Order: sequence, then structure tokens, then C-alpha cells
Amino acid sequence: DTGVSQDPRHKITKRGQNVTFRCDPISEHNRLYWYRQTLGQGPEFLTYFQNEAQLEKSRLLSDRFSAERPKGSFSTLEIQRTEQGDSAMYLCASSLARQKQSEQFFGPGTRLTVL
Amino acid sequence: EDKVVQSPLSLVVHEGDTVTLNCSYEVTNFRSLLWYKQEKKAPTFLFMLTSSGIEKKSGRLSSILDKKELFSILNITATQTGDSAVYLCAVEPPITGANSKLTFGKGITLSVRP
Repeated sequence: DTGVSQDPRHKITKRGQNVTFRCDPISEHNRLYWYRQTLGQGPEFLTYFQNEAQLEKSRLLSDRFSAERPKGSFSTLEIQRTEQGDSAMYLCASSLARQKQSEQFFGPGTRLTVL
Repeated sequence: EDKVVQSPLSLVVHEGDTVTLNCSYEVTNFRSLLWYKQEKKAPTFLFMLTSSGIEKKSGRLSSILDKKELFSILNITATQTGDSAVYLCAVEPPITGANSKLTFGKGITLSVRP
């Protein structure tokens, strides 16, 4: 399978714990995005990388959230001191920045439940 | 801030019916509008629309964009139970900007009954 992969697929944690998610984009894609989706809502943008550079962070991304893409390939999203409001599906997407077509392809997501 | 509104929020039809899903947007800068299908997992790409008035088709699905009136529609003909899903509309800012995020609507939940 050469699509976007995410790990883990599900994570249950207790409030206050730290969690880390991983995303492996499609191999030739230089752009990587993180979104968060809650029930009944569309995905909301969190942050994105072009290669290893983090180019934008949403105001939704509090200081408890940090994302990295150290070698311009896979990315990690860490949430520190989780809160119940962090429970959501965390989606990763990747795209190839080209002039004409740059649709984003999504991974299966990591569903986080904070107890 | 960019805004995407989809309607209706949910829809129930019977197999064989034709459905039209609506997406309107308010954006300051616009490059493309995208439709995705989501079935309890990751959104899967359906269409990217950049030009007004040009219909895109894929099997029983088709979509068109009206940049003057700021809306798009997604049509599904001869619906099947496998079309049951959430259909998401998103807008993309210009590629030349630093901002490359998609802004999504809430999605339209389509249920196709046998």
C-alpha cells in the first residue's frame, strides 16, 4: 500500500498523559498536513509542512501541541497533558506541490479518546 | 476567515434516486474547490474544480463549479447503498500563498436505503 499511513489507528489515554502520533506520507509528496475532526464536523486544519519546514500553524494548535517533520518524510504530532476536549480523529494528508494539481490525500486517521 | 457551507446537512434517499449536494463558499482568495467522500475513515478524493462551468464526471458522480455565484454542486445519479457516506466540500487558497490549508464544510450525510 503506497498511500498515507498513520499509527496508531486508535489511542485511549487518561487525561494529563502525553500522546504521540505518526504519519507517513506518500513517498514523493513534499507537503504534509495535520487536521483534526470531531463528530459532525469537517476536518479542521492544524498545521502543515513543506519538506521539513513547518509553514503554518492554526490558532487551534495550543502550546500543548507540537508537530515535527525532521527529515522531510514522516511527521509526528505530540499532544502534552491531554484534555478531554482533545478527543477527536487526527487526520494526516499529503500532497505534491505542483502548479496545476495538488489534491491532498488523506490517511486513515488516529482516533484519540481521552478519558 | 474562509467559510464553507454545505446543504442539506443530511439526506435520506432510496436506491436509484438522483441526489444533488450543495456547497457554497465565502473566501477571500480561491484556487480550487474539492469534493471528498468519507465512509467512517479517511476522506477519499472525488473531484477538484478550478474553472467555472466545466463539469467533471466520474461514473455516476458529476460536479460543477460556479465562481460567480460562489457555489458548487455534486450530483449522484442512480444512487446505490454504497454511496452512503459523508460528502465533504473544501476550498483551497492560491498555491502561491504561504497558506495551503483546506477549509472544509461540515459535510453532508447521505443515506441510501435499499
